[in-house]
Amino acid sequence: DGGITQSPKYLFRKEGQNVTLSCEQNLNHDAMYWYRQDPGQGLRLIYYSQIVNDFQKGDIAEGYSVSREKKESFPLTVTSAQKNPTAFYLCAVGHRALSGANVLTFGAGSRLTVL
Amino acid sequence: GQQLNQSPQSMFIQEGEDVSMNCTSSSIFNTWLWYKQDPGEGPVLLIALYKAGELTSNGRLTAQFGITRKDSFLNISASIPSDVGIYFCAGQLVGTYKYIFGTGTRLKVLA
Repeated sequence: DGGITQSPKYLFRKEGQNVTLSCEQNLNHDAMYWYRQDPGQGLRLIYYSQIVNDFQKGDIAEGYSVSREKKESFPLTVTSAQKNPTAFYLCAVGHRALSGANVLTFGAGSRLTVL
Repeated sequence: GQQLNQSPQSMFIQEGEDVSMNCTSSSIFNTWLWYKQDPGEGPVLLIALYKAGELTSNGRLTAQFGITRKDSFLNISASIPSDVGIYFCAGQLVGTYKYIFGTGTRLKVLA
């Protein structure tokens, strides 16, 4: 929300298929993040990027890949190597708020279900 | 990896009651964030804290950044039915751009 668009909202995929989740922002911020959320759990960091053409692995990067070719876009690919891909995926933009605190603003999320 | 211990995991309260939840960690953070998440939606920022000892309010919400930079609490006063949801704390690790999240507090308000 607030300039962060995640698509699709719901996605179904068969085992063994790769799938790419889109995250686009028009907020002109440099930092972007991907988190995974499982039922009843907190958010776990997959990848993050501070600048175009650069990104770092988070705590659970195995089975995922990202690219950051444009400032506005940070797509996440869930590969067939990810053993348990069914989850709710959240994209966020990092920026400094008026108060001075560094904050994350989230998109509405994409729910991936593997059949 | 680093963890944030958030408690309680869930709570049922009567409308009008005050609510308190907290997060602790063995790591030091330079920012604490509190979010509310509704089912099937992304988390929405409630309060951001970045000074040790800082106490900040946002309407009926009050949060404090612990003096040791390792903990934070969130209070909700005079709860109403729309306060129902999951509340998450998050901390930005010192010297990094990484944010670590708590496991959430599920709040249910009984009218």
